[in-house]
Amino acid sequence: GQQVMQIPQYQHVQEGEDFTTYCNSSTTLSNIQWYKQRPGGHPVFLIQLVKSGEVKKQKRLTFQFGEAKKNSSLHITATQTTDVGTYFCAGPLGGNQFYFGTGTSLTVIP
Amino acid sequence: NAGVTQTPKFQVLKTGQSMTLQCAQDMNHEYMSWYRQDPGMGLRLIHYSVGAGITDQGEVPNGYNVSRSTTEDFPLRLLSAAPSQTSVYFCASKTGGYEQYFGPGTRLTVT
Repeated sequence: GQQVMQIPQYQHVQEGEDFTTYCNSSTTLSNIQWYKQRPGGHPVFLIQLVKSGEVKKQKRLTFQFGEAKKNSSLHITATQTTDVGTYFCAGPLGGNQFYFGTGTSLTVIP
Repeated sequence: NAGVTQTPKFQVLKTGQSMTLQCAQDMNHEYMSWYRQDPGMGLRLIHYSVGAGITDQGEVPNGYNVSRSTTEDFPLRLLSAAPSQTSVYFCASKTGGYEQYFGPGTRLTVT
């Protein structure tokens, strides 16, 4: 079954509101990556977190890796219409197997 | 660099037919993988390869075969297509423990 879960599955926000998606793994991860997929497109890498408790920022996006390295979050401040898409977390499980989360689809209402 | 390329972009098959989805990368990446994407399921790993001549199964390998005769190419074969294999298929490649680069995807419908 799915070993990397994300919540929520869907999120609708008014433009300017904040957005957060959460990622939970059944096992400890050596690192976690985040990807964005625009509608009709392919996943594009955003960032990688490696250290326990790590926090990284990219403009309005803030990424956190949990202390136990089993969960992560992506927070977007003041969403814009360009943020529309599905956000996936992904991590290595069982050696060379790279598993993706179920994704959170973000809709931004202008 | 073209990155990761996939052909075809769209394909319609009848149940029982076979076909090969092509994937190629020009970045000299050792690791290549195939995912399928279905609504609400995220991306699920089908097969992966850590180098030429080496392949292994992912989460949902049944009904699919792969081979890796060169570093550049990693084709995915559907042996006998079934409606449950209707999906969007993505090929990806990476080097080391870094980001994966995805191809544009193949949208497959099996009737």
